[in-house]
Amino acid sequence: DVKVTQSSRYLVKRTGEKVFLECVQDMDHENMFWYRQDPGLGLRLIYFSYDVKMKEKGDIPEGYSVSREKKERFSLILESASTNQTSMYLCASSLLRRDTGELFFGEGSRLTVL
Amino acid sequence: AQKVTQAQTEISVVEKEDVTLDCVYETRDTTYYLFWYKQPPSGELVFLIRRNSFDEQNEISGRYSWNFQKSTSSFNFTITASQVVDSAVYFCALSEAHDSGGGADGLTFGKGTHLIIQP
Repeated sequence: DVKVTQSSRYLVKRTGEKVFLECVQDMDHENMFWYRQDPGLGLRLIYFSYDVKMKEKGDIPEGYSVSREKKERFSLILESASTNQTSMYLCASSLLRRDTGELFFGEGSRLTVL
Repeated sequence: AQKVTQAQTEISVVEKEDVTLDCVYETRDTTYYLFWYKQPPSGELVFLIRRNSFDEQNEISGRYSWNFQKSTSSFNFTITASQVVDSAVYFCALSEAHDSGGGADGLTFGKGTHLIIQP
């Protein structure tokens, strides 16, 4: 089975702190994604990557950056956390660049920024 | 721009009732994919189904069935004889397949429908 693992289920940070959210998948998937989920807004795409060192902006990239140095790992970075970034963050992966296959999701990281 | 609308924010039914979750989508592409995901209280989204735009055949999987109608841009999901374990948030999603080589640009999700099955 595909496993997408997010490093932290719950984080509490202070405004202005730098935050790293890590995601690792173990099935050699090409594509990786970061979404945030907020009540009443559903899931919104922040960034995605279809190859090592490649990244593309999603619908709401402002205030975030990403890093993909290895195929299995996709990190989401909040350079200076703000209270409006309090949210549930979901990492996902899918197999092939040239196929719209299903996404496999991690369990999510719930971030609270005080 | 693509868009997915799930007009039902929350649905509550009694166990064993049938329930239909609505999904309406918008896209300018002729080739696209539709998905349904389930998010139980544990939080991890679970894939249920993928449909491509050229396959309008309805699908049944146990108590689950999906009705895809391009004429109304809808992809509705029905649970027959609902059970308490069906309680979850259900998301409908859309992905367009671009000419550049596949739709790896992520999915556009609806806002979700919270389904509550009461015993």
